[in-house]
Amino acid sequence: GENVEQHPSTLSVQEGDSAVIKCTYSDSASNYFPWYKQELGKRPQLIIDIRSNVGEKKDQRIAVTLNKTAKHFSLHITETQPEDSAVYFCAARDGTSYGKLTFGQGTILTVHP
Amino acid sequence: ETGVTQTPRHLVMGMTNKKSLKCEQHLGHNAMYWYKQSAKKPLELMFVYSLEERVENNSVPSRFSPECPNSSHLFLHLHTLQPEDSALYLCASSQDLRSHEQYFGPGTRLTVT
Repeated sequence: GENVEQHPSTLSVQEGDSAVIKCTYSDSASNYFPWYKQELGKRPQLIIDIRSNVGEKKDQRIAVTLNKTAKHFSLHITETQPEDSAVYFCAARDGTSYGKLTFGQGTILTVHP
Repeated sequence: ETGVTQTPRHLVMGMTNKKSLKCEQHLGHNAMYWYKQSAKKPLELMFVYSLEERVENNSVPSRFSPECPNSSHLFLHLHTLQPEDSALYLCASSQDLRSHEQYFGPGTRLTVT
């Protein structure tokens, strides 16, 4: 089955800096890669996603890149703000009929004012 | 309340108790999911339902018993749990199995004593 590895497990940056979180996946048939943000005590919420036929996608201060050959994808947050502090999860959707999402271990991002 | 709701939000139960978690989605979706979120571990998919039919049981012990009476409601019946079952149980829904985005509920924080 699919295996998703996420790094780093914790990331601390100063406000205004950029943050990068990386994930690798094992199943070459995976075709969809979402990123979820989970603030303390709240539900995970989708912030950006990318499909396997696209190499990069951007939405304001966040962007995701995908390298299918190397089987890795990354989340980039620019001009970080304290409200970006949260746990970020990457996931990969496999090619099964029901599209199982396998999640990474999560990255705790702390943005210091 | 709109979106995906879960009750109760917190639950403490003994190992010999029987309890149920409830999830309701108000989005008109046809697929629903149960996930387990333990500390320092990735989100683990437990069960998947599509149009009230279970399509995946991800090697979950029989002490967890799901029920989906209709496409808007999903239950997780619990009995004779173990302390290691203590976790945040998240429900999610999507338009259908092919849809990419999953919407999460706020979760039930379960503590087994």
